[in-house]
Parts: sequence; structure tokens; C-alpha cells
Amino acid sequence: AQSVTQLDSQVPVFEEAPVELRCNYSSSVSVYLFWYVQYPNQGLQLLLKYLSGSTLVKGINGFEAEFNKSQTSFHLRKPSVHISDTAEYFCAVSEKGGSEKLVFGKGTKLTVNP
Amino acid sequence: DAGVIQSPRHEVTEMGQEVTLRCKPISGHDYLFWYRQTMMRGLELLIYFNNNVPIDDSGMPEDRFSAKMPNASFSTLKIQPSEPRDSAVYFCASSAGLAGGYTGELFFGEGSRLTVL
Repeated sequence: AQSVTQLDSQVPVFEEAPVELRCNYSSSVSVYLFWYVQYPNQGLQLLLKYLSGSTLVKGINGFEAEFNKSQTSFHLRKPSVHISDTAEYFCAVSEKGGSEKLVFGKGTKLTVNP
Repeated sequence: DAGVIQSPRHEVTEMGQEVTLRCKPISGHDYLFWYRQTMMRGLELLIYFNNNVPIDDSGMPEDRFSAKMPNASFSTLKIQPSEPRDSAVYFCASSAGLAGGYTGELFFGEGSRLTVL
């Protein structure tokens, strides 16, 4: 069965600073990888996904992530954050050729301070 | 499209009472998922359906929990009897799945916040 580890539960940064949110996964088969964002009192929405092809994936709001198969990682990055990026970010994995089931990490709370 | 619609948004009940949470998925989506979110355990998949049929209910915590999907546009998650440890935010999500070309994108509702006293 697949699993996801988000290494940081909270990440505080200053506005306009770069940020990296870390995600590692475990699976015995090939995977699809996702990052979702959750704003306060809302449901989750898709930020970006890796299904196949280029390992560098660009998403909404200037975020990008890189799939590293050898390190089983899918870290999320943004070169310059805004106050509005304050939210909780979830990494998720599903198995290729398997079910539609997404397994989520426990989330990283990103707080952008002025 | 209206998105995934969940009701109620907030529910406060007393221990032992029955709770029913409702979900209307996006029209045309053939997968429906129920997740529970707590501070301690994060997001847990409870059960999911494909074409109204339950596929995997291994995440349902115990027999007090049940879920149904009588048709493509409606699903319920029921807790009977409820306990304080059931307090959480319950999310419903839907997906177009393989028939629509796999995107892996789940569309989430805004959640139902349940408090059991």
C-alpha cells in the first residue's frame, strides 16, 4: 500500500521569500502524485499533478513541483510567496493501474508573514 | 457547474444521536469519496463508490458508520449512535475517473463540521 510523509507540519516564511514544502512517498508500484491546497474553512483544491512525462510540473498560483523517482520525493516550491498563499498544503499519491484511491499526507501549514 | 454540495455545513449533536451527512457530486462524475479530517489523523479515506457501488470501505471506522449512494446524484454518510470521538470535518469529493480520461483530480465539497457533545 502507498503512503505519504510530509516532513514539516508547519512552515513560517516572510512575504516574497522562497519556500519549499517537502513530500516523500512510499509505494511498490509506479505512482501518480498530487499537491492540494486547503484555505481556511474550505475543501481541498488541486494545485498541481504529476501523471507522466516531464518531472517538473507547474501548477496554479506560481507553484511548481519536481518528481524525483530515485529519492521518492515530490517537493513543492514557489520562488516568492504572498500573504494569500497562507494555507494548508497536502501531498497525495495514487498507484498507477490501481484504484482511484488517493492517500494524503498529514499536511503542511504554510504561514506567510508580512 | 455548482461543484460538490454537502449538507449540513455544521452539525452539533449529543452523544448517542444519529447523524446523517449528505452529498451531491458533480454531474457526470462516476466516483464519489468520503473523507474525514481531524487534527490527530489528518485526512482519512472512509469509503468510495464507483457508479454508485461501494468499492472500498476499509476506512470506515466501525459498524456505527454506514454510507449509501442510491443514485448518481446523491450519497449519505450516517453515524448511529454518534460519539464525541466522531467529531471531525467530513468531506465528500467526486471525480470523473477513468471514463473521462484519468486526471487524478478530486473535486471537494466545503465539508460538514460535526461536533458530538
